[in-house]
Amino acid sequence: DAGITQSPRHKVTETGTPVTLRCHQTENHRYMYWYRQDPGHGLRLIHYSYGVKDTDKGEVSDGYSVSRSKTEDFLLTLESATSSQTSVYFCAISELTGDGTEAFFGQGTRLTVV
Amino acid sequence: SQQGEEDPQALSIQEGENATMNCSYKTSINNLQWYRQNSGRGLVHLILIRSNEREKHSGRLRVTLDTSKKSSSLLITASRAADTASYFCATETGRRALTFGSGTRLQVQP
Repeated sequence: DAGITQSPRHKVTETGTPVTLRCHQTENHRYMYWYRQDPGHGLRLIHYSYGVKDTDKGEVSDGYSVSRSKTEDFLLTLESATSSQTSVYFCAISELTGDGTEAFFGQGTRLTVV
Repeated sequence: SQQGEEDPQALSIQEGENATMNCSYKTSINNLQWYRQNSGRGLVHLILIRSNEREKHSGRLRVTLDTSKKSSSLLITASRAADTASYFCATETGRRALTFGSGTRLQVQP
């Protein structure tokens, strides 16, 4: 897992409540990503970070914010959870190889918004 | 929008048979990658093929890339029950982010 830990692993929350998911990495990777996975859609990029305090939006960023105050932690916040944000969320880092980059993923967080 | 689309969506074969999955993408690429996901787990990188390569092998995996057709295929030879998983193609976009296809669910019957 390239030292990637996601917490919590499972969460059930009510519509309208704020939720924060945490991604922690131990290998000092510069690039970190949040994806969501839904049936029929594969993985879609929410936000990514290319350094401390450097973040940018991905394909499906509406309703989400992120923060990266230190290299090892990348937080994803749902400001006001909606049922459409029920999904499995994956954190990833990327490593440069000789041919390109390779992504390593955490185990995922299953979020249910009721 | 999805950069990569896999075909078929689901595939069921017997152990020992070969499994072929296809991926199409829309824009020019630097490389194309394939990942495997076991049920309830994160994705695991399998193989990367550069845009100037046409074919690449890794163990029982064979990947082809046709940039003129914007398509790739993943062949798993002599499949095993442990190959049961979902397989995704991915293309690299800016800031090393990946755009994934919707995946192929492979079931290998023992």
